[in-house]
Amino acid sequence: DAGVTQSPTHLIKTRGQQVTLRCSPKSGHDTVSWYQQALGQGPQFIFQYYEEEERQRGNFPDRFSGHQFPNYSSELNVNALLLGDSALYLCASSTTGGRSNEKLFFGSGTQLSVL
Amino acid sequence: QKEVEQDPGPLSVPEGAIVSLNCTYSNSAFQYFMWYRQYSRKGPELLMYTYSSGNKEDGRFTAQVDKSSKYISLFIRDSQPSDSATYLCAMSSYSGNTPLVFGKGTRLSVIA
Repeated sequence: DAGVTQSPTHLIKTRGQQVTLRCSPKSGHDTVSWYQQALGQGPQFIFQYYEEEERQRGNFPDRFSGHQFPNYSSELNVNALLLGDSALYLCASSTTGGRSNEKLFFGSGTQLSVL
Repeated sequence: QKEVEQDPGPLSVPEGAIVSLNCTYSNSAFQYFMWYRQYSRKGPELLMYTYSSGNKEDGRFTAQVDKSSKYISLFIRDSQPSDSATYLCAMSSYSGNTPLVFGKGTRLSVIA
């Protein structure tokens, strides 16, 4: 079992550009959540996808959008990049139902640097 | 005031020491409490998951929750150099797929 896989591992962009990050959930998982972890901070919830729909969203602007595909994989898109978007972007997968948070698995993340 | 407060450290201890890591929180709706370990350039890995107040032990790790004080702790006994990592507390109101609210993390170094 490969666990949660994210690509790319590192990315460098310039201000104003757009970026797409990708995530494949752990086998058997159908729910994908995205978190942003700035340097020296804990992860912050961006949004969650289930059944190809955004189910919950954190306090992030509309520049952050996502998608979930029928095979449960997911993409995170960020438009009009700002310097403050530089962070480690973490994907986490889980199943639905009770105690899902106990079975939440994180990927190793994509390190995004905005210059 | 942030919902979850955690001293970022860094904390440096000798091998074999007992380590105490703590978080405080302000949202009384939190009922599920987690501790994650994060190695450099890796994603967080769940160490302990507890519900409501009380203690939970797993090997060298003990998690404590005091809801009356809004205070949670993680104790590591007989600490090893391999325990050197950042430890993140996280909380949620429900056990299902609800967003986790994380502390900043405490960076721990265990010196051989």
